[in-house]
Amino acid sequence: RKEVEQDPGPFNVPEGATVAFNCTYSNSASQSFFWYRQDCRKEPKLLMSVYSSGNEDGRFTAQLNRASQYISLLIRDSKLSDSATYLCVVRSGGFKTIFGAGTRLFVKA
Amino acid sequence: ETGVTQSPTHLIKTRGQQVTLRCSSQSGHNTVSWYQQALGQGPQFIFQYYREEENGRGNFPPRFSGLQFPNYSSELNVNALELDDSALYLCASSAKPGLAGGGEQYFGPGTRLTVT
Repeated sequence: RKEVEQDPGPFNVPEGATVAFNCTYSNSASQSFFWYRQDCRKEPKLLMSVYSSGNEDGRFTAQLNRASQYISLLIRDSKLSDSATYLCVVRSGGFKTIFGAGTRLFVKA
Repeated sequence: ETGVTQSPTHLIKTRGQQVTLRCSSQSGHNTVSWYQQALGQGPQFIFQYYREEENGRGNFPPRFSGLQFPNYSSELNVNALELDDSALYLCASSAKPGLAGGGEQYFGPGTRLTVT
């Protein structure tokens, strides 16, 4: 079993749709969680950290469920520019950072 | 932009050769982590450097080695290149190692290495 698992997609949605991504992790001692987005042939860019209480940044909402060991990302009112690969990231301990393989999103007009 | 720079952007090497990749961290960041990203995969952690010492390592063989300099820039060296080493190599800088400061890492644009 992979330490961090994501649905690879792709998710194909129309503009304006709401889309949700889930990510599960296996290490219950994990302490920090993030979502990154990565455009084709570019570096990953930090989208948002994920806090236990959940957090929102504009159209993006992240949730953490420690009991079930999963993280979610909700994107509302999808834009064409949201098309990218979304990477779930889990850190457990000082340096160990594990990336999921990513979920591809295509937003179409 | 993150302020993290990497060089070169692209590199082609032959199996068995050695390569050195370079990274300059964002201003104010003293920790650099290196990742390998194969096509269609998420980045895989290679190692992290903090204050010029290796602070942790992923599941990569010893032929992957690194350095960090007093100005916090860093190098990744790979000896005896293999075909499977072909990948995008990313460095990420952060303000502190571990989870301090939220643990956010900011990536450079990467070096695309092709081994033939």
